[in-house]
Amino acid sequence: QVQLQESGPGLVKPSQTLSLTCTVSGGSISSGGYYWSWIRQHPGKGLEWIGYIYYSGSTYYNPSLKSRVTISVDTSKNQFSLKLSSVTAADTAVYYCARGYCSGGSCYSFPPSNDYWGQGTLVTVSS
Amino acid sequence: DIQLTQSPSFLSASVGDRVTITCRASQGISSYLAWYQQKPGKAPKLLIYAASTLQSGVPSRFSGSGSGTEFTLTISSLQPEDFATYYCQQLNSYPPGFGPGTKVDIK
Repeated sequence: QVQLQESGPGLVKPSQTLSLTCTVSGGSISSGGYYWSWIRQHPGKGLEWIGYIYYSGSTYYNPSLKSRVTISVDTSKNQFSLKLSSVTAADTAVYYCARGYCSGGSCYSFPPSNDYWGQGTLVTVSS
Repeated sequence: DIQLTQSPSFLSASVGDRVTITCRASQGISSYLAWYQQKPGKAPKLLIYAASTLQSGVPSRFSGSGSGTEFTLTISSLQPEDFATYYCQQLNSYPPGFGPGTKVDIK
C-alpha cells in the first residue's frame, strides 16, 4: 500500500519561501509510471493543482504559480519536494502531496488523476 | 483554462436516497473527468476516473456518466459514510482544475 507523508514548517513569513517534502513509502518513485504531485486547498475552499514531477525530473506547473514554484525529486530518499517563493497570506492553505497516474501511461498530453494522497499539512503565512 | 461548475452546491439527503451531482465544463473535455470525495479534515479520495471508471476499492453504489461538457456522479443508495463534499476534476488539459464542490449533508 502506497503511503505519502508531507513534512515541513507550518508557519512561513511573508516574502519568504515555503518548503515542503513528501516522503513516499510502499513504492519506489524510481519505478516510473507515476507523476508525483502537489495540490493545495485554501481554508474552507476548493482544490488547486500546483504541479507534478516525474522520477526523471521532468515537471509541469500550474501557469498561475509557475514563476514561484519549484518541484524537485530525490529518488535516493524516495522523496519529492515543493518550494514556493515570495509567499503572501494568499498562500495559506493545506498542502497535499499525491500520486498521479494516467491510464495511457504518459501524462504528456493529459493530466493525471490522483489515486493516493498524503494527509495534508497546513501552512500559514504570517509575520 | 477550462472552468467547471457543479450543481447543486449543497444538498440535504437521507440514508438510502439516490443522489445525483452534476458537473459541467466550459468546453468539451471528452471523458477526461475524475470525481473525488472529501471528508472534513481528510485528503480527497479518488472515486471515479475517465468519467465512468470506478477506482479500485470504491463501492459499486457510486457511478459516473457523461462526456463532452456534462457529467454526473450518482450514489444509488446513500450510506452514512457518504456524507462528504464531492469534487469533479477535468483531466483534458493543463492545468487540471477542480469544480467548486458539492456538499452532501444529512437531512
